[in-house]
Amino acid sequence: NAGVTQTPKFQVLKTGQSMTLQCAQDMNHEYMSWYRQDPGMGLRLIHYSVGAGITDQGEVPNGYNVSRSTTEDFPLRLLSAAPSQTSVYFCASLASTDRAVSGELFFGEGSRLTVL
Amino acid sequence: GQQLNQSPQSMFIQEGEDVSMNCTSSSIFNTWLWYKQEPGEGPVLLIALYKAGELTSNGRLTAQFGITRKDSFLNISASIPSDVGIYFCAGQRNTGTASKLTFGTGTRLQVTL
Repeated sequence: NAGVTQTPKFQVLKTGQSMTLQCAQDMNHEYMSWYRQDPGMGLRLIHYSVGAGITDQGEVPNGYNVSRSTTEDFPLRLLSAAPSQTSVYFCASLASTDRAVSGELFFGEGSRLTVL
Repeated sequence: GQQLNQSPQSMFIQEGEDVSMNCTSSSIFNTWLWYKQEPGEGPVLLIALYKAGELTSNGRLTAQFGITRKDSFLNISASIPSDVGIYFCAGQRNTGTASKLTFGTGTRLQVTL
């Protein structure tokens, strides 16, 4: 059971370059989300989706775009990378958006991005 | 955005010792969760708490949902080397809204033999 799969695991970009972080889950989860993790800041929500075709902004959405064309995939796009986007990015999902225990997220292994 | 205050930031303990960490907020939460992140991995859920005053155990881990709903505590008894990692608390204000999960800044635990 693969769970939540993120690619790539590591990426180095130059300022201004664009790229897409991929996230796929095989658990048929409705809810998917992207977080960034920075030292001393914990995990901060970038964007999330409650189902195919539906996305919304989280706490720190600027500089990032998302789309949700299928239940399985939720890619995160950096349109013009900046050094401030150097971080570790995590994709997470959960089974149902209306569960009372909907804090029980399943996380991927992370993608470490460095922007020079 | 709001961040939860988690303490201590880091701990260095010897194998066999007990560990306590806590998380506080200025706001009320309806759900508290504790996650563990091992090096190079994503966080994994340890314990979820849904009711003020609730005390829940998972093996050597015990967590409590504070009676004021503004704090939570995690205890690890008889620590072992595989307890090493970063422990995150997370609070959820409204049930059924995963997007409203707020994470603490983490407690980094190191265990020495």
